Amino acid sequence: DAKTTQPTSMDCAEGRAANLPCNHSTISGNEYVYWYRQIHSQGPQYIIHGLKNNETNEMASLIITEDRKSSTLILPHATLRDTAVYYCIVRVAGSSARQLTFGSGTQLTVLP
Amino acid sequence: GAVVSQHPSRVICKSGTSVKIECRSLDFQATTMFWYRQFPKQSLMLMATSNEGSKATYEQGVEKDKFLINHASLTLSTLTVTSAHPEDSSFYICSAAGDDNYGYTFGSGTRLT
Repeated sequence: DAKTTQPTSMDCAEGRAANLPCNHSTISGNEYVYWYRQIHSQGPQYIIHGLKNNETNEMASLIITEDRKSSTLILPHATLRDTAVYYCIVRVAGSSARQLTFGSGTQLTVLP
Repeated sequence: GAVVSQHPSRVICKSGTSVKIECRSLDFQATTMFWYRQFPKQSLMLMATSNEGSKATYEQGVEKDKFLINHASLTLSTLTVTSAHPEDSSFYICSAAGDDNYGYTFGSGTRLT
């Protein structure tokens, strides 16, 4: 799986959009970008994933650049409950026998 | 959506005793489950891959005789920490792959002290 690079930490004001970047310059054509988050002392939670088109669900939006070398997770209206470590993971889909490899992630702190 | 139930959420044990952690997929069948360990302020590290009906595959540096994994059915995998010692204190998390379009589902974790 391709390596990802994320900032160590970010702050965001409550109610504002949180934009979390991720670089994955060595991504290959069949690799998806997945985002998970981990609230303190809980298991990771799936947020969203995409291949090349922008994606949106009830939790977030995922913007992938045209060259697919980077992406941004957008939480449109951050709340205090969104404070967590956010992990950007690149992997090939269609193989449930392969594990997810977690990097260091970005600690997002939503400030009141 | 897919749900993975992990129990117990927290356990305290004496040195030398064994602890069993259960991971169940509640609404889907999981041929493969994964066990992770997370030390404070660190990321998740894969310990082993659990395959239903066969032996688990352990990551380098993880003692298979110390961390016993049993995946006897498509909905249950167990991790037994044998002869636990203070250095085994950690947050243990299981995950299972159900519908691959939605990625992996994780248990809520077990804090072992």
